[in-house]
Amino acid sequence: AQTVTQSQPEMSVQEAETVTLSCTYDTSENNYYLFWYKQPPSRQMILVIRQEAYKQQNATENRFSVNFQKAAKSFSLKISDSQLGDTAMYFCAFMKVLTGNQFYFGTGTSLTVIP
Amino acid sequence: DAGVTQSPTHLIKTRGQHVTLRCSPISGHKSVSWYQQVLGQGPQFIFQYYEKEERGRGNFPDRFSARQFPNYSSELNVNALLLGDSALYLCASSWTGNFYQPQHFGDGTRLSIL
Repeated sequence: AQTVTQSQPEMSVQEAETVTLSCTYDTSENNYYLFWYKQPPSRQMILVIRQEAYKQQNATENRFSVNFQKAAKSFSLKISDSQLGDTAMYFCAFMKVLTGNQFYFGTGTSLTVIP
Repeated sequence: DAGVTQSPTHLIKTRGQHVTLRCSPISGHKSVSWYQQVLGQGPQFIFQYYEKEERGRGNFPDRFSARQFPNYSSELNVNALLLGDSALYLCASSWTGNFYQPQHFGDGTRLSIL
């Protein structure tokens, strides 16, 4: 079974600083995708960034970047120049491709950006 | 354009009853997925439908069922409700049946079982 682990239930960061959220996953698959989703207090989940497992280059989306370590099964999210609007629950997610679509979320990290 | 809409927003049921939750995807999206999010946990995948066919199923009992209509809207049905079914039920839509495409989530239906 696939599992996604986020070991940091809560984190805080000063506005304009950088923060890194951790995620590890367990799978025997070789072809899969990884995602970070953000769920602000309004509840609507939003895709932040995604990574294809066969791509070695780390994905980047503006202030958001990932550190993908396939051998270590690690997928951390770095948020640079943190803004108040970044306050939210962040979920790491895993998608396997073979044997039917399956999508797995971690338990989430609650990030608070402090003014 | 309207986002993903879910109805009802809140629902209270008692044990043993059944419930139907509804989801309308973003216009043009042909895939709908359902998730259960228990308080304090991450969403758990229940079903994915694409072009009215089931494309993926999570580890949920047969009391959970779903379907997708020709207009791509979807219903999630839960029979014989248990206290543990109390959760936020999220619907997400995307262009295709490939989860790599960004999923657009609705605000969810908060289901409370008494």
